[in-house]
Amino acid sequence: DIQMTQSPSSLSASVGDRVTITCRASQGIRNDLGWYQQKPGKAPKRLIYAASSLQSGVPSRFSGSGSGTEFTLTISSLQPEDFATYYCLQHNSYPLTFGPGTKVDIK
Amino acid sequence: EVQLVESGGGLVKPGGSLRLSCAASGFTFSSYSMNWVRQAPGKGLEWVSSISSSSSYIYYADSVKGRFTISRDNAKNSLYLQMNSLRAEDTAVYYCARDPGLRATDYWGQGTLVTVSS
Repeated sequence: DIQMTQSPSSLSASVGDRVTITCRASQGIRNDLGWYQQKPGKAPKRLIYAASSLQSGVPSRFSGSGSGTEFTLTISSLQPEDFATYYCLQHNSYPLTFGPGTKVDIK
Repeated sequence: EVQLVESGGGLVKPGGSLRLSCAASGFTFSSYSMNWVRQAPGKGLEWVSSISSSSSYIYYADSVKGRFTISRDNAKNSLYLQMNSLRAEDTAVYYCARDPGLRATDYWGQGTLVTVSS
C-alpha cells in the first residue's frame, strides 16, 4: 500500500499569509494526486487534481505542484474562508490513501 | 448540477447490519465509477470501496473486506453499501464520491452518520 504523509499537521497563519502544505508518497505516484479542503461538518471539496490542475470554480490563490513522491499545495494569500483542514489523496493505485490532514487555523 | 445524496445511516448494535444508499443526479451515473469514503469522528478520511461503472471491478479496503459489499443500480442512479458484522470502529460519516477517471474523486455527497454502539 502507498502511504501518504503530510506536513505540517497544523499551522497558524494570518489573513494574507502565504501558506505551503507538503504531501509525500511512500513510492512514486506520477501526478495521481488531489488536494481537498474540508470545513467542520461539511464534505471535502476538491481544489486541485492531477497534482497541479485547478478545479473549476476554485480561486486562483490555490495552486499545486509536484510529481512522483513530493507534492505541495500553496495558498498565495490566505483568506478568512480558507481556514479549514486540507487533505491529499493518492489515486495511483488501490487502496486509495489520504494524507492525515493539515489543519489551518487563525493566528 | 452534480448531486449525491446519501441515506441509510443510523444507530446499530455491534454485529448488526446496515445498508447505505447514495442517490445520484445531474450526470450520467452509468458512465462513472463510484467510491465510498468514511471519516470517524474527529479523524481523517479513509477510502472504503470503489465500483466501476458496470460493476465489473470492485475494490475494498482491508478493514472492511469480507464484511461490506458495494453495489450499484444504474437504472435507479443509485450506489449502495451493505455493511454487515459492524464494529465500533466502523462508526463514521460515510460519503459517496464520484470517480471522474483514474480512480480519483471529484464530487462528494453530504455524508450519512453510522454509529455502532450497544
